[in-house]
Amino acid sequence: DAGVIQSPRHEVTEMGQEVTLRCKPISGHNSLFWYRQTMMRGLELLIYFNNNVPIDDSGMPEDRFSAKMPNASFSTLKIQPSEPRDSAVYFCASSSSGGTGGGEQFFGPGTRLTVL
Amino acid sequence: SQKIEQNSEALNIQEGKTATLTCNYTNYSPAYLQWYRQDPGRGPVFLLLIRENEKEKRKERLKVTFDTTLKQSLFHITASQPADSATYLCALSGYSTLTFGKGTMLLVSP
Repeated sequence: DAGVIQSPRHEVTEMGQEVTLRCKPISGHNSLFWYRQTMMRGLELLIYFNNNVPIDDSGMPEDRFSAKMPNASFSTLKIQPSEPRDSAVYFCASSSSGGTGGGEQFFGPGTRLTVL
Repeated sequence: SQKIEQNSEALNIQEGKTATLTCNYTNYSPAYLQWYRQDPGRGPVFLLLIRENEKEKRKERLKVTFDTTLKQSLFHITASQPADSATYLCALSGYSTLTFGKGTMLLVSP
């Protein structure tokens, strides 16, 4: 298996532009997580899906952020409009544990987002 | 509010020694505690999971302890090697999602 795939790996954009990050989870995994990592705040959960359904989006910072999972093999995280404070590394992770804390999560390589 | 604390100072040790990393938490009663390794420019990689009713877990050179009274987990790497140099994250959960600490960087010098 190729593991969790994320694209793009790097994204540089200007303030106000729309940004779309993409994730392909490991085949057969039923849970998908979006995280954001910064030096100041560490690794923060933004949203997670179980069986393609958003379960907990309490970590989404504001309405500028949205996430979708149209099928079991694809998810997007969109920021519109982007702001400089959104600059961070965004990770996607998947798990076969149904979102429970008892299962390991497999992380993708991340997307480094820079908003100028 | 829930708080997870890991030493923000890097831990520097010599090759062959045992590295011990600490994870403390407050306002939390986790059912599970996990440890992950993160290399620069990469995503975290799962290492070990320990349940609230387990005191200790081992995997090769790794050992994790979980003291729910002290609200602390210790992560040990025995016979450390330069290749063990990385940032180590602890993560806690109830029966739902994980909350991560900020991690501690470990530097093992030859």
